[in-house]
Amino acid sequence: EPEVTQTPSHQVTQMGQEVILRCVPISNHLYFYWYRQILGQKVEFLVSFYNNEISEKSEIFDDQFSVERPDGSNFTLKIRSTKLEDSAMYFCASSETQQLGTTEAFFGQGTRLTVV
Amino acid sequence: KNQVEQSPQSLIILEGKNCTLQCNYTVSPFSNLRWYKQDTGRGPVSLTIMTFSENTKSNGRYTATLDADTKQSSLHITASQLSDSASYICVVSGVSGGSYIPTFGRGTSLIVHP
Repeated sequence: EPEVTQTPSHQVTQMGQEVILRCVPISNHLYFYWYRQILGQKVEFLVSFYNNEISEKSEIFDDQFSVERPDGSNFTLKIRSTKLEDSAMYFCASSETQQLGTTEAFFGQGTRLTVV
Repeated sequence: KNQVEQSPQSLIILEGKNCTLQCNYTVSPFSNLRWYKQDTGRGPVSLTIMTFSENTKSNGRYTATLDADTKQSSLHITASQLSDSASYICVVSGVSGGSYIPTFGRGTSLIVHP
């Protein structure tokens, strides 16, 4: 069964450093998403991406964040200068079409980012 | 402000019993409502998706209901199994001008005991 894969599963970084989280969405999907979940809190939407550009972003997704689809398979989330409060589980998801109606989104297993 | 409230926050039941989880939302305009199951340390997995015109949808032992008038949904789990122990998340999507923004609830943590 096709699945969304994320690497690494766990990333530890020093405050102020740049990190890149990687995702390989399901191959025939066109919409890609990043979410984050701070430990013990709810999942929060960060950004959606379609046709090589951001289609929606939340208030959380500030200038420190960027997304990119550098090739035909990878979808990345970059945090330029990490802060302690960026520590969270980051989930990538993809869907065939925009998540209106009954289109299902498939989530990856997440990357746990720890900023020290 | 769009909000999704879930209750109870946590629930403990015995294996084989049924349970019902609740979700109230204020998301407008409404596009769809999803229930996800999230195992600890894993990504959410979709259980059901309902649009405005649907008021019930089943997926095996999971049955979701939707009342768009009162903006309430429930997820009923029948004959619970140990593997049902997880967090169940209600996600409501609004749509405005073709844009899609999902609002997540905090989830209900379900523990099924043998």
